Amino acid sequence: TQLLEQSPQFLSIQEGENLTVYCNSSSVFSSLQWYRQEPGEGPVLLVTVVTGGEVKKLKRLTFQFGDARKDSSLHITAAQPGDTGLYLCAGRYNNNDMRFGAGTRLTVKP
Amino acid sequence: EAQVTQNPRYLITVTGKKLTVTCSQNMNHEYMSWYRQDPGLGLRQIYYSMNVEVTDKGDVPEGYKVSRKEKRNFPLILESPSPNQTSLYFCASSLAASGGMEQYFGPGTRLTVT
Repeated sequence: TQLLEQSPQFLSIQEGENLTVYCNSSSVFSSLQWYRQEPGEGPVLLVTVVTGGEVKKLKRLTFQFGDARKDSSLHITAAQPGDTGLYLCAGRYNNNDMRFGAGTRLTVKP
Repeated sequence: EAQVTQNPRYLITVTGKKLTVTCSQNMNHEYMSWYRQDPGLGLRQIYYSMNVEVTDKGDVPEGYKVSRKEKRNFPLILESPSPNQTSLYFCASSLAASGGMEQYFGPGTRLTVT
């Protein structure tokens, strides 16, 4: 059972456009992370959010954790070809277990 | 350099032939885990280990075994591989399992079982 739903599954946009990726769950998570994965490599952590309503910014990337800690979003401003990759959200709902979403595959065309 | 290494990176094998995928980390991390990644399903946890000699099942443990005899190593064992275990496997480690600890992932092992 996939506890984390990510949308959209695929996204193809032109350089300079903005986009938002969503991660939704029916469970409350103690923390939520966003990872980025490139072909042939393992996921790399982008950010961790732990407080409901928290907003974190990483250059052109803005991450938000929902007030109820059941959902999160990733917003990219002025996307660049270097942003192309698979974006994964991962929620930890107890101290031992982490669940990943299926991912959003982003392609940014020059 | 801090890293998680996996071997082999690619493996093609036949049904029923036992295999082991090794995983090693040099960061003195307590927590290690194995995931498989399949299209449309994302990363699913197979097994995890909180520390030496402490292992537990994840979401999809059937057909797999693990051991944690040393802190740095966490091998994944397939006693009798089957075609439905064809997948991309990742080993990961973190300082601990609690809170928002970052997981460091290995480069992956692409396994094909014919």
